[in-house]
Amino acid sequence: AQTVTQSQPEMSVQEAETVTLSCTYDTSESNYYLFWYKQPPSRQMILVIRQEAYKQQNATENRFSVNFQKAAKSFSLKISDSQLGDTAMYFCAFMKHRSSSNTGKLIFGQGTTLQVKP
Amino acid sequence: GAGVSQTPSNKVTEKGKYVELRCDPISGHTALYWYRQSLGQGPEFLIYFQGTGAADDSGLPNDRFFAVRPEGSVSTLKIQRTERGDSAVYLCASSLSGAVNTGELFFGEGSRLTVL
Repeated sequence: AQTVTQSQPEMSVQEAETVTLSCTYDTSESNYYLFWYKQPPSRQMILVIRQEAYKQQNATENRFSVNFQKAAKSFSLKISDSQLGDTAMYFCAFMKHRSSSNTGKLIFGQGTTLQVKP
Repeated sequence: GAGVSQTPSNKVTEKGKYVELRCDPISGHTALYWYRQSLGQGPEFLIYFQGTGAADDSGLPNDRFFAVRPEGSVSTLKIQRTERGDSAVYLCASSLSGAVNTGELFFGEGSRLTVL
Protein backbone atom coordinates (compact mmCIF):
# COMPACT_ATOMS: atom_id res chain seq x y z
CA ALA A 1 0.00 0.00 0.00
CA GLN A 2 1.09 3.54 -0.66
CA THR A 3 1.33 6.20 2.03
CA VAL A 4 1.97 9.92 1.89
CA THR A 5 3.29 11.86 4.88
CA GLN A 6 3.41 15.61 5.43
CA SER A 7 5.20 16.31 8.69
CA GLN A 8 4.55 20.07 8.86
CA PRO A 9 0.98 20.75 10.04
CA GLU A 10 1.46 24.53 9.79
CA MET A 11 3.89 26.90 8.13
CA SER A 12 4.08 30.66 7.77
CA VAL A 13 6.06 32.94 5.49
CA GLN A 14 6.38 36.65 4.91
CA GLU A 15 5.00 38.02 1.68
CA ALA A 16 7.62 37.95 -1.14
CA GLU A 17 9.73 35.37 0.70
CA THR A 18 10.33 31.73 -0.23
CA VAL A 19 8.92 28.73 1.60
CA THR A 20 9.37 24.98 1.20
CA LEU A 21 6.75 22.39 2.13
CA SER A 22 7.90 18.82 2.76
CA CYS A 23 6.40 15.52 1.67
CA THR A 24 7.60 11.94 1.85
CA TYR A 25 5.90 8.88 0.48
CA ASP A 26 6.23 5.13 0.49
CA THR A 27 5.57 2.82 -2.43
CA SER A 28 6.90 -0.30 -4.09
CA GLU A 29 5.91 1.02 -7.51
CA SER A 30 8.69 2.12 -9.84
CA ASN A 31 6.58 4.45 -11.91
CA TYR A 32 3.95 6.82 -10.59
CA TYR A 33 2.80 10.43 -10.41
CA LEU A 34 3.14 12.94 -7.58
CA PHE A 35 1.10 16.09 -7.11
CA TRP A 36 0.70 19.15 -4.99
CA TYR A 37 -2.87 20.39 -4.57
CA LYS A 38 -3.94 23.66 -2.95
CA GLN A 39 -7.15 23.97 -0.93
CA PRO A 40 -8.18 27.54 -0.05
CA PRO A 41 -11.00 28.27 2.44
CA SER A 42 -13.50 27.77 -0.40
CA ARG A 43 -12.69 24.03 -0.08
CA GLN A 44 -12.08 23.60 -3.81
CA MET A 45 -8.93 21.57 -4.45
CA ILE A 46 -6.76 23.08 -7.19
CA LEU A 47 -3.86 21.30 -8.89
CA VAL A 48 -0.63 23.26 -8.37
CA ILE A 49 2.01 21.06 -9.94
CA ARG A 50 2.56 17.49 -11.17
CA GLN A 51 5.67 15.31 -11.41
CA GLU A 52 6.06 12.05 -13.31
CA ALA A 53 8.41 9.71 -11.47
CA TYR A 54 10.28 8.57 -14.57
CA LYS A 55 11.24 12.16 -15.40
CA GLN A 56 14.38 13.23 -13.60
CA GLN A 57 13.85 16.92 -14.26
CA ASN A 58 12.01 18.71 -11.48
CA ALA A 59 8.65 20.21 -12.51
CA THR A 60 8.18 23.98 -12.45
CA GLU A 61 5.06 26.12 -12.78
CA ASN A 62 5.78 29.83 -12.53
CA ARG A 63 6.53 30.52 -8.82
CA PHE A 64 6.06 26.88 -7.86
CA SER A 65 8.75 24.23 -8.20
CA VAL A 66 9.44 20.82 -6.74
CA ASN A 67 12.49 18.99 -5.47
CA PHE A 68 11.87 15.36 -6.39
CA GLN A 69 14.28 12.86 -4.82
CA LYS A 70 13.13 9.44 -6.02
CA ALA A 71 15.62 7.35 -4.05
CA ALA A 72 14.74 9.18 -0.85
CA LYS A 73 11.02 9.16 -1.73
CA SER A 74 10.84 12.86 -1.07
CA PHE A 75 8.79 15.45 -2.94
CA SER A 76 8.97 19.00 -1.58
CA LEU A 77 7.23 22.10 -2.92
CA LYS A 78 9.00 25.45 -3.11
CA ILE A 79 6.93 28.60 -3.41
CA SER A 80 8.94 31.65 -4.45
CA ASP A 81 7.86 35.28 -4.05
CA SER A 82 4.99 34.22 -1.77
CA GLN A 83 1.72 36.11 -2.22
CA LEU A 84 -1.20 36.61 0.13
CA GLY A 85 -3.32 34.51 -2.23
CA ASP A 86 -1.07 31.53 -1.59
CA THR A 87 -2.57 31.22 1.89
CA ALA A 88 -4.25 27.81 1.87
CA MET A 89 -3.89 24.20 2.86
CA TYR A 90 -1.48 22.27 0.63
CA PHE A 91 -1.74 18.56 0.02
CA CYS A 92 0.84 16.22 -1.43
CA ALA A 93 -0.68 13.31 -3.36
CA PHE A 94 0.40 10.05 -5.03
CA MET A 95 -1.10 8.16 -7.94
CA LYS A 96 -0.06 4.90 -9.57
CA HIS A 97 1.04 5.03 -13.19
CA ARG A 98 -1.50 3.98 -15.81
CA SER A 99 0.55 0.84 -16.51
CA SER A 100 -0.37 -0.41 -13.02
CA SER A 101 -4.10 -0.80 -13.56
CA ASN A 102 -4.50 2.74 -12.42
CA THR A 103 -8.02 3.99 -11.78
CA GLY A 104 -6.85 7.52 -11.17
CA LYS A 105 -7.14 7.14 -7.40
CA LEU A 106 -5.20 9.82 -5.53
CA ILE A 107 -3.69 9.13 -2.11
CA PHE A 108 -3.32 12.34 -0.14
CA GLY A 109 -1.13 13.37 2.75
CA GLN A 110 -2.51 15.06 5.86
CA GLY A 111 -1.89 18.55 4.54
CA THR A 112 0.13 21.61 5.54
CA THR A 113 -1.60 24.88 6.35
CA LEU A 114 0.39 27.76 4.89
CA GLN A 115 -0.17 31.32 6.00
CA VAL A 116 1.41 34.17 4.05
CA LYS A 117 1.83 37.23 6.24
CA PRO A 118 1.83 40.80 4.88
CA GLY B 1 -21.77 25.38 -15.53
CA ALA B 2 -18.05 25.84 -15.97
CA GLY B 3 -16.98 23.81 -12.96
CA VAL B 4 -17.98 20.85 -10.82
CA SER B 5 -21.13 21.70 -8.89
CA GLN B 6 -22.05 20.07 -5.59
CA THR B 7 -25.27 20.40 -3.65
CA PRO B 8 -26.06 21.01 -0.90
CA SER B 9 -23.12 23.07 0.23
CA ASN B 10 -23.96 22.27 3.83
CA LYS B 11 -26.22 19.62 5.30
CA VAL B 12 -27.09 19.11 8.95
CA THR B 13 -28.95 15.94 9.85
CA GLU B 14 -29.73 13.79 12.83
CA LYS B 15 -28.16 10.46 13.61
CA GLY B 16 -30.01 7.66 11.85
CA LYS B 17 -31.36 9.77 9.00
CA TYR B 18 -30.80 9.24 5.27
CA VAL B 19 -28.95 11.81 3.17
CA GLU B 20 -28.19 12.35 -0.50
CA LEU B 21 -25.36 14.47 -1.85
CA ARG B 22 -25.34 15.48 -5.48
CA CYS B 23 -22.49 16.11 -7.90
CA ASP B 24 -22.81 17.69 -11.35
CA PRO B 25 -19.47 17.22 -13.18
CA ILE B 26 -17.98 19.31 -15.93
CA SER B 27 -19.78 18.63 -19.20
CA GLY B 28 -18.01 15.94 -21.21
CA HIS B 29 -16.05 14.52 -18.29
CA THR B 30 -16.58 10.76 -18.22
CA ALA B 31 -14.61 10.06 -15.04
CA LEU B 32 -16.12 11.03 -11.68
CA TYR B 33 -14.76 10.57 -8.15
CA TRP B 34 -16.07 10.92 -4.63
CA TYR B 35 -13.69 11.66 -1.76
CA ARG B 36 -14.32 12.20 1.94
CA GLN B 37 -12.33 14.74 3.93
CA SER B 38 -12.50 14.67 7.71
CA LEU B 39 -11.55 17.76 9.68
CA GLY B 40 -7.82 18.48 9.46
CA GLN B 41 -7.13 15.52 7.18
CA GLY B 42 -6.46 14.89 3.52
CA PRO B 43 -9.23 13.60 1.26
CA GLU B 44 -9.80 9.85 1.22
CA PHE B 45 -10.97 8.06 -1.91
CA LEU B 46 -14.47 6.59 -1.83
CA ILE B 47 -15.52 5.61 -5.35
CA TYR B 48 -14.67 6.13 -9.04
CA PHE B 49 -17.10 6.06 -11.97
CA GLN B 50 -16.15 5.70 -15.61
CA GLY B 51 -19.35 6.53 -17.43
CA THR B 52 -22.31 4.94 -15.67
CA GLY B 53 -20.45 2.14 -13.94
CA ALA B 54 -18.51 2.14 -10.70
CA ALA B 55 -15.02 1.10 -11.81
CA ASP B 56 -13.59 1.15 -8.28
CA ASP B 57 -15.67 1.30 -5.09
CA SER B 58 -12.97 0.01 -2.79
CA GLY B 59 -13.04 3.15 -0.65
CA LEU B 60 -16.67 2.95 0.46
CA PRO B 61 -16.41 2.38 4.23
CA ASN B 62 -19.44 0.09 4.62
CA ASP B 63 -22.77 -0.86 3.09
CA ARG B 64 -24.47 2.28 4.41
CA PHE B 65 -22.71 4.18 1.64
CA PHE B 66 -23.84 3.89 -1.97
CA ALA B 67 -23.34 5.99 -5.09
CA VAL B 68 -25.01 6.05 -8.48
CA ARG B 69 -24.47 7.73 -11.82
CA PRO B 70 -27.37 6.45 -13.94
CA GLU B 71 -26.86 8.54 -17.07
CA GLY B 72 -23.13 8.98 -16.93
CA SER B 73 -23.31 12.60 -15.83
CA VAL B 74 -24.78 13.62 -12.45
CA SER B 75 -23.87 11.40 -9.51
CA THR B 76 -25.54 10.99 -6.13
CA LEU B 77 -23.82 9.75 -3.00
CA LYS B 78 -26.32 8.15 -0.63
CA ILE B 79 -25.73 7.54 3.06
CA GLN B 80 -28.19 5.46 5.06
CA ARG B 81 -28.61 5.47 8.86
CA THR B 82 -26.10 8.27 9.29
CA GLU B 83 -23.69 8.19 12.21
CA ARG B 84 -21.80 11.03 13.90
CA GLY B 85 -18.57 9.63 12.41
CA ASP B 86 -19.92 10.32 8.93
CA SER B 87 -19.52 14.05 9.56
CA ALA B 88 -17.04 15.33 6.97
CA VAL B 89 -16.74 17.26 3.73
CA TYR B 90 -17.62 15.12 0.75
CA LEU B 91 -15.70 16.19 -2.35
CA CYS B 92 -16.58 15.32 -5.92
CA ALA B 93 -14.11 15.51 -8.80
CA SER B 94 -14.31 14.85 -12.52
CA SER B 95 -11.91 14.50 -15.43
CA LEU B 96 -11.66 13.59 -19.06
CA SER B 97 -11.18 9.88 -19.57
CA GLY B 98 -7.62 10.25 -20.78
CA ALA B 99 -6.71 12.52 -17.91
CA VAL B 100 -7.63 9.81 -15.40
CA ASN B 101 -4.06 8.65 -15.65
CA THR B 102 -2.43 12.02 -15.16
CA GLY B 103 -4.15 13.31 -12.06
CA GLU B 104 -5.84 16.27 -13.72
CA LEU B 105 -8.92 16.12 -11.58
CA PHE B 106 -11.27 19.07 -11.27
CA PHE B 107 -12.83 19.32 -7.83
CA GLY B 108 -16.04 20.87 -6.61
CA GLU B 109 -16.32 22.87 -3.39
CA GLY B 110 -17.68 19.94 -1.48
CA SER B 111 -20.72 19.22 0.65
CA ARG B 112 -20.17 19.60 4.38
CA LEU B 113 -22.20 16.98 6.23
CA THR B 114 -22.80 17.35 9.95
CA VAL B 115 -24.52 14.52 11.81
CA LEU B 116 -25.86 15.54 15.21
